[in-house]
Amino acid sequence: KAGVTQTPRYLIKTRGQQVTLSCSPISGHRSVSWYQQTPGQGLQFLFEYFSETQRNKGNFPGRFSGRQFSNSRSEMNVSTLELGDSALYLCASNDLGGTQYFGPGTRLLVL
Amino acid sequence: SQQGEEDPQALSIQEGENATMNCSYKTSINNLQWYRQNSGRGLVHLILIRSNEREKHSGRLRVTLDTSKKSSSLLITASRAADTASYFCATDRGGSNYKLTFGKGTLLTVNP
Repeated sequence: KAGVTQTPRYLIKTRGQQVTLSCSPISGHRSVSWYQQTPGQGLQFLFEYFSETQRNKGNFPGRFSGRQFSNSRSEMNVSTLELGDSALYLCASNDLGGTQYFGPGTRLLVL
Repeated sequence: SQQGEEDPQALSIQEGENATMNCSYKTSINNLQWYRQNSGRGLVHLILIRSNEREKHSGRLRVTLDTSKKSSSLLITASRAADTASYFCATDRGGSNYKLTFGKGTLLTVNP
């Protein structure tokens, strides 16, 4: 069974730009979660999607958004990038028992 | 906000020794999971223990959960240099809540 894939793996953007990250979950999983990891704040929950609906949302500004498609693939978007958005963005594919399997992450650097 | 707190923050041991990491959390939970992360890469799932379980084993890993003390421990036996990584505990509150709340992690260094 293929694992969780995330694209791109690395990204460099400048302040004010926007970025879209993609995640393909494990086949058969309908729930996808997104997390941000920074040295200062650690791992923080962004949002979770199940069958194209956002079920849970973390404490992030509205510049952070996401969506899920009918094939369970998910995207997250960050608009008007700030320096503090530099982070490792992790996607997790969730099974019905609550286990979350993470992808390799997208490392975003905002200059 | 961080739910869990791992202890110690850093641990350095020799190959062959056992490594024990602890995790404390604040609110009631449904599941507690342990993850490993190598050098800022993705998280590797190690083990999940449910709130009604007290102990679980997987290979060289042993996890305990004490819900009365809101704490968990991860024991890695016969450590290898390849076990060098950061280890995180993460909790969820169950139901349709797939939000994991992570601790700050323990950096384990296993010296050859």
